[in-house]
Formats: sequence, structure tokens, C-alpha cells
Amino acid sequence: SYVVTQPPSVSVAPGKTARITCGGNNLGTKSVHWLQQKPGQAPVLVIFYDSDRPSGIPERFSGSHSGNTATLTISRVESGDEADYYCQVWDSSSDHVVFGGGTKLTVL
Amino acid sequence: EVQLVESGGGLVQPGGSLRLSCAASGFTFSSYAMTWVRQAPGKGLEWVSGVSGSGAITYYADSMKGRFAISRDNSKDTLYLQMNSLRAEDTAIYYCAKSAAYSFGSDYFDPWGQGTLVTVSS
Repeated sequence: SYVVTQPPSVSVAPGKTARITCGGNNLGTKSVHWLQQKPGQAPVLVIFYDSDRPSGIPERFSGSHSGNTATLTISRVESGDEADYYCQVWDSSSDHVVFGGGTKLTVL
Repeated sequence: EVQLVESGGGLVQPGGSLRLSCAASGFTFSSYAMTWVRQAPGKGLEWVSGVSGSGAITYYADSMKGRFAISRDNSKDTLYLQMNSLRAEDTAIYYCAKSAAYSFGSDYFDPWGQGTLVTVSS
């Protein structure tokens, strides 16, 4: 089955830039979506189709996709950005939705 | 405002059954595919199942196929998940979410409901 890989954790100081990666075989042929989940809350979409941002999501959140790696970038990180972040893709060979294992963002 | 409210979770014994519901409001329910995603305690997100806008086409994760059944009643704006032969490893919060398109596939899910907790234990 298709697998997308994320680093388990990323730490960043307030005001700095956090980058969370999502990698997978032939990921360049797939659209990547990103979700934010704060403790005790439901996931929230923060980036869709690699780099589009839903209304209400701060411009500090951006996405990019190059080759087999997609990246969620959070600029000027705030303490409120502490959360788990998940990438999501569609595996057309199995007709399955696939989530990455999640990355815990810690703001130092 | 788009809203999704799950219900039907609870404590069930191994081998038992449960039906989850997801009541939708604020959008034309029949025009969008829907999905169920679960999250075991302390674990990541795991996709469970998806269904097209009409309900005619369904998709399942391998570990749920044959035990779980997704359906929808577009006249009631409600999504369902029938879960049979439940195991301890099915213990999780179950979320429903709205797809961005009528057909299920590569589109994103937004928004998500608050989830309903299913506990499988004797």
C-alpha cells in the first residue's frame, strides 16, 4: 500500500519558520492536502491542492511541492501554531485515501 | 455555515455492532462525497471509508472492508457507518468530513465534525 512519510516532530522558536515535509514514491503525480489538529480538537484544513489556502487560514501558512516531497511552511511561528500536522493524498492505484503519520510541531 | 455532527458512538463488546451517524447542514448534502476517518487514542489519522454524492460508489480501507459499511440518506442529509464484528483495535474517535467534490477521490476534506468515540471492550 502507498505510504507517505513525515518527520515525527519539528521544533521551532517563536517568530522563526517551520517546515514540515511529506514524502512518498511518485508523490509528484499526486495532490497533497495538509491538516492541522490541536489537542482535543478535530482536524482543520490548512492547505489544499499543494499550495492553496482556505479562507480564514493565515497567510503565514503556505505549501509547496517539488518532486517527491511536499512541504508545509509556517512563517513567523506563534505559540498557537503548536499542533499535529498531517499530509493527505489519494492513491489512485488502490482507490485509498492515505494520511502521513503526522508531525508534532513544538514551539520552543 | 457548514456543520457536521456525529453521533452513535459508545461502549460495545468485541464482536458487537454499532451504527454511527453524521448529520449535515449548511450545504447541499447530495452534491458532495463524504468520508469517515478515525483516530485511535494517541495515534494519527486513519482513513476508514468514503462514498460518492449519490451513495452509489463506496470505498473502504483494507482493514475495514467486509466489516464496515458506509451509506447515506440524501433525503435526511445524513451519513452512516455500520460497524460489525468490532475489535479492540477499532477503538477510536470517528470523524466524518465533507469532500470538496461529488466524486470521491483526490479532493480535500473540509470541514470535519467533532467526532464520536467508539470503545470496544469487554
